[in-house]
Amino acid sequence: QKEVEQDPGPLSVPEGAIVSLNCTYSNSAFQYFMWYRQYSRKGPELLMYTYSSGNKEDGRFTAQVDKSSKYISLFIRDSQPSDSATYLCAMSENAGGTSYGKLTFGQGTILTVHP
Amino acid sequence: ETGVTQSPTHLIKTRGQQVTLRCSSQSGHNTVSWYQQALGQGPQFIFQYYREEENGRGNFPPRFSGLQFPNYSSELNVNALELDDSALYLCASSTPGGKNIQYFGAGTRLSVL
Repeated sequence: QKEVEQDPGPLSVPEGAIVSLNCTYSNSAFQYFMWYRQYSRKGPELLMYTYSSGNKEDGRFTAQVDKSSKYISLFIRDSQPSDSATYLCAMSENAGGTSYGKLTFGQGTILTVHP
Repeated sequence: ETGVTQSPTHLIKTRGQQVTLRCSSQSGHNTVSWYQQALGQGPQFIFQYYREEENGRGNFPPRFSGLQFPNYSSELNVNALELDDSALYLCASSTPGGKNIQYFGAGTRLSVL
Protein backbone atom coordinates (compact mmCIF):
# COMPACT_ATOMS: atom_id res chain seq x y z
CA GLN A 1 0.00 0.00 0.00
CA LYS A 2 1.30 3.44 -0.95
CA GLU A 3 1.65 6.05 1.79
CA VAL A 4 -0.45 8.50 -0.24
CA GLU A 5 -3.25 7.41 -2.56
CA GLN A 6 -4.71 9.69 -5.21
CA ASP A 7 -7.20 8.80 -7.92
CA PRO A 8 -5.34 9.43 -11.18
CA GLY A 9 -8.55 10.17 -13.07
CA PRO A 10 -8.61 11.47 -15.71
CA LEU A 11 -11.34 13.89 -14.70
CA SER A 12 -13.20 15.89 -17.34
CA VAL A 13 -15.66 18.65 -16.37
CA PRO A 14 -17.45 21.52 -18.13
CA GLU A 15 -16.36 25.09 -17.56
CA GLY A 16 -17.94 26.52 -14.42
CA ALA A 17 -18.21 23.19 -12.59
CA ILE A 18 -17.06 22.58 -9.04
CA VAL A 19 -14.16 20.15 -8.96
CA SER A 20 -13.29 17.94 -6.00
CA LEU A 21 -9.88 16.30 -5.78
CA ASN A 22 -8.94 13.96 -2.96
CA CYS A 23 -6.08 12.09 -1.35
CA THR A 24 -5.94 9.56 1.45
CA TYR A 25 -2.85 8.69 3.42
CA SER A 26 -1.70 6.12 5.92
CA ASN A 27 1.09 7.89 7.83
CA SER A 28 -0.39 9.59 10.90
CA ALA A 29 2.84 11.59 11.36
CA PHE A 30 2.07 13.82 8.36
CA GLN A 31 1.46 17.38 9.56
CA TYR A 32 2.02 19.58 6.51
CA PHE A 33 -0.25 19.24 3.49
CA MET A 34 0.13 20.82 0.07
CA TRP A 35 -1.54 20.87 -3.31
CA TYR A 36 0.54 21.46 -6.40
CA ARG A 37 -0.58 22.09 -9.97
CA GLN A 38 1.59 20.81 -12.81
CA TYR A 39 1.11 21.82 -16.41
CA SER A 40 2.46 19.59 -19.14
CA ARG A 41 6.27 19.65 -19.32
CA LYS A 42 6.52 22.04 -16.36
CA GLY A 43 7.51 21.73 -12.73
CA PRO A 44 4.89 21.55 -9.94
CA GLU A 45 3.52 24.93 -8.82
CA LEU A 46 2.37 25.35 -5.21
CA LEU A 47 -1.37 26.09 -4.98
CA MET A 48 -2.31 25.57 -1.34
CA TYR A 49 -0.50 24.88 1.93
CA THR A 50 -2.14 23.75 5.16
CA TYR A 51 -0.70 22.85 8.52
CA SER A 52 -2.60 20.20 10.51
CA SER A 53 -6.41 19.90 10.22
CA GLY A 54 -8.79 22.55 8.97
CA ASN A 55 -9.84 24.52 5.91
CA LYS A 56 -8.04 27.15 3.90
CA GLU A 57 -9.50 29.25 1.12
CA ASP A 58 -7.69 31.22 -1.58
CA GLY A 59 -9.86 32.68 -4.33
CA ARG A 60 -11.56 29.83 -6.18
CA PHE A 61 -9.56 27.18 -4.31
CA THR A 62 -10.38 25.59 -0.94
CA ALA A 63 -8.18 23.01 0.78
CA GLN A 64 -9.51 20.77 3.53
CA VAL A 65 -7.56 18.49 5.84
CA ASP A 66 -9.18 15.88 8.10
CA LYS A 67 -6.37 14.23 10.04
CA SER A 68 -8.76 11.97 11.96
CA SER A 69 -9.82 10.36 8.66
CA LYS A 70 -6.40 10.78 7.00
CA TYR A 71 -8.10 12.53 4.09
CA ILE A 72 -7.40 15.78 2.28
CA SER A 73 -9.36 17.56 -0.43
CA LEU A 74 -9.00 20.40 -2.89
CA PHE A 75 -12.10 22.12 -4.24
CA ILE A 76 -12.03 24.33 -7.31
CA ARG A 77 -15.05 26.58 -7.82
CA ASP A 78 -16.08 28.04 -11.18
CA SER A 79 -13.49 25.91 -12.97
CA GLN A 80 -11.83 27.40 -16.06
CA PRO A 81 -10.12 25.81 -19.07
CA SER A 82 -6.86 27.26 -17.73
CA ASP A 83 -7.28 24.97 -14.68
CA SER A 84 -6.62 21.98 -16.95
CA ALA A 85 -3.51 20.37 -15.49
CA THR A 86 -2.32 17.56 -13.23
CA TYR A 87 -3.01 18.15 -9.54
CA LEU A 88 -0.65 16.60 -7.02
CA CYS A 89 -1.21 16.29 -3.29
CA ALA A 90 1.93 16.27 -1.14
CA MET A 91 2.59 15.74 2.55
CA SER A 92 5.42 16.08 5.01
CA GLU A 93 6.11 14.99 8.58
CA ASN A 94 8.54 17.76 9.34
CA ALA A 95 9.06 21.41 8.71
CA GLY A 96 12.39 21.10 6.91
CA GLY A 97 15.52 22.99 7.82
CA THR A 98 17.35 20.88 10.39
CA SER A 99 14.44 18.39 10.23
CA TYR A 100 14.03 15.91 7.42
CA GLY A 101 11.78 17.71 4.94
CA LYS A 102 10.85 14.99 2.46
CA LEU A 103 7.59 15.52 0.56
CA THR A 104 5.55 12.42 -0.23
CA PHE A 105 3.35 12.88 -3.28
CA GLY A 106 0.23 11.26 -4.59
CA GLN A 107 0.16 9.95 -8.15
CA GLY A 108 -1.57 13.07 -9.45
CA THR A 109 -5.04 13.61 -10.93
CA ILE A 110 -5.31 14.76 -14.54
CA LEU A 111 -8.04 17.40 -14.85
CA THR A 112 -9.51 18.73 -18.10
CA VAL A 113 -11.98 21.63 -18.05
CA HIS A 114 -13.70 21.95 -21.40
CA PRO A 115 -15.39 25.16 -22.61
CA GLU B 1 8.18 31.79 -11.87
CA THR B 2 9.64 30.34 -8.69
CA GLY B 3 13.23 31.51 -9.14
CA VAL B 4 14.48 27.91 -9.13
CA THR B 5 16.38 27.21 -12.34
CA GLN B 6 17.54 23.86 -13.64
CA SER B 7 19.89 22.94 -16.43
CA PRO B 8 19.90 21.42 -18.92
CA THR B 9 16.20 21.20 -19.85
CA HIS B 10 16.63 18.02 -21.86
CA LEU B 11 19.32 15.37 -21.97
CA ILE B 12 19.80 12.14 -23.89
CA LYS B 13 22.28 9.59 -22.59
CA THR B 14 23.21 5.99 -23.25
CA ARG B 15 22.91 3.19 -20.71
CA GLY B 16 26.04 3.00 -18.55
CA GLN B 17 26.96 6.67 -18.93
CA GLN B 18 27.09 9.26 -16.16
CA VAL B 19 25.09 12.50 -15.95
CA THR B 20 25.20 15.70 -13.89
CA LEU B 21 22.12 17.89 -13.44
CA ARG B 22 22.27 21.37 -11.97
CA CYS B 23 19.98 23.52 -9.89
CA SER B 24 20.09 27.12 -8.69
CA SER B 25 17.87 27.67 -5.70
CA GLN B 26 15.64 30.66 -5.03
CA SER B 27 17.40 33.55 -3.32
CA GLY B 28 17.50 33.07 0.45
CA HIS B 29 16.66 29.36 0.35
CA ASN B 30 19.26 27.15 2.02
CA THR B 31 17.57 23.77 1.49
CA VAL B 32 17.48 21.94 -1.84
CA SER B 33 15.62 18.70 -2.55
CA TRP B 34 15.76 16.47 -5.60
CA TYR B 35 12.87 14.37 -6.92
CA GLN B 36 12.46 11.89 -9.77
CA GLN B 37 9.13 11.92 -11.63
CA ALA B 38 8.42 9.02 -13.96
CA LEU B 39 5.76 9.50 -16.63
CA GLY B 40 2.27 9.44 -15.12
CA GLN B 41 3.56 9.30 -11.54
CA GLY B 42 4.04 11.73 -8.69
CA PRO B 43 7.56 12.91 -7.83
CA GLN B 44 9.65 10.52 -5.72
CA PHE B 45 12.08 11.97 -3.16
CA ILE B 46 15.76 11.30 -3.93
CA PHE B 47 17.56 13.36 -1.26
CA GLN B 48 17.72 16.73 0.43
CA TYR B 49 20.62 19.06 1.20
CA TYR B 50 20.62 21.58 4.01
CA ARG B 51 23.60 23.90 4.42
CA GLU B 52 25.79 21.70 2.20
CA GLU B 53 25.04 18.48 4.10
CA GLU B 54 22.80 15.61 2.96
CA ASN B 55 19.80 15.79 5.25
CA GLY B 56 17.82 12.72 4.27
CA ARG B 57 17.64 10.24 1.44
CA GLY B 58 14.85 8.33 -0.26
CA ASN B 59 14.91 4.80 -1.61
CA PHE B 60 17.50 5.38 -4.32
CA PRO B 61 20.79 3.48 -4.81
CA PRO B 62 24.21 5.03 -4.08
CA ARG B 63 24.82 5.69 -7.78
CA PHE B 64 22.53 8.70 -7.20
CA SER B 65 24.66 11.30 -5.43
CA GLY B 66 24.58 15.03 -4.89
CA LEU B 67 26.33 18.15 -3.78
CA GLN B 68 25.30 21.51 -2.43
CA PHE B 69 27.60 24.49 -2.81
CA PRO B 70 28.16 27.48 -0.48
CA ASN B 71 25.79 29.58 -2.62
CA TYR B 72 23.17 26.82 -2.04
CA SER B 73 23.10 25.73 -5.66
CA SER B 74 23.15 21.97 -6.11
CA GLU B 75 24.07 19.10 -8.42
CA LEU B 76 22.57 15.66 -8.89
CA ASN B 77 24.91 13.03 -10.28
CA VAL B 78 23.78 9.67 -11.58
CA ASN B 79 26.35 7.01 -12.46
CA ALA B 80 25.93 3.84 -14.53
CA LEU B 81 22.68 5.03 -16.07
CA GLU B 82 19.90 2.49 -16.53
CA LEU B 83 16.91 2.63 -18.86
CA ASP B 84 14.59 3.08 -15.84
CA ASP B 85 16.41 6.30 -14.94
CA SER B 86 14.55 7.99 -17.79
CA ALA B 87 12.35 10.56 -16.05
CA LEU B 88 11.83 14.21 -15.21
CA TYR B 89 14.26 15.27 -12.47
CA LEU B 90 12.97 18.08 -10.31
CA CYS B 91 14.82 20.34 -7.95
CA ALA B 92 13.01 22.22 -5.18
CA SER B 93 14.24 24.87 -2.77
CA SER B 94 12.74 25.69 0.59
CA THR B 95 12.50 28.59 2.95
CA PRO B 96 14.46 28.40 6.18
CA GLY B 97 11.42 29.51 8.16
CA GLY B 98 10.32 26.03 9.21
CA LYS B 99 7.26 25.48 7.01
CA ASN B 100 8.84 23.16 4.43
CA ILE B 101 7.19 25.00 1.54
CA GLN B 102 9.11 23.72 -1.47
CA TYR B 103 9.27 25.62 -4.75
CA PHE B 104 10.08 23.60 -7.83
CA GLY B 105 12.05 24.30 -10.96
CA ALA B 106 10.85 23.25 -14.41
CA GLY B 107 12.93 20.08 -14.30
CA THR B 108 15.42 18.27 -16.50
CA ARG B 109 14.00 15.59 -18.76
CA LEU B 110 16.48 12.72 -19.00
CA SER B 111 16.16 10.02 -21.62
CA VAL B 112 18.39 6.94 -21.33
CA LEU B 113 18.69 4.89 -24.51
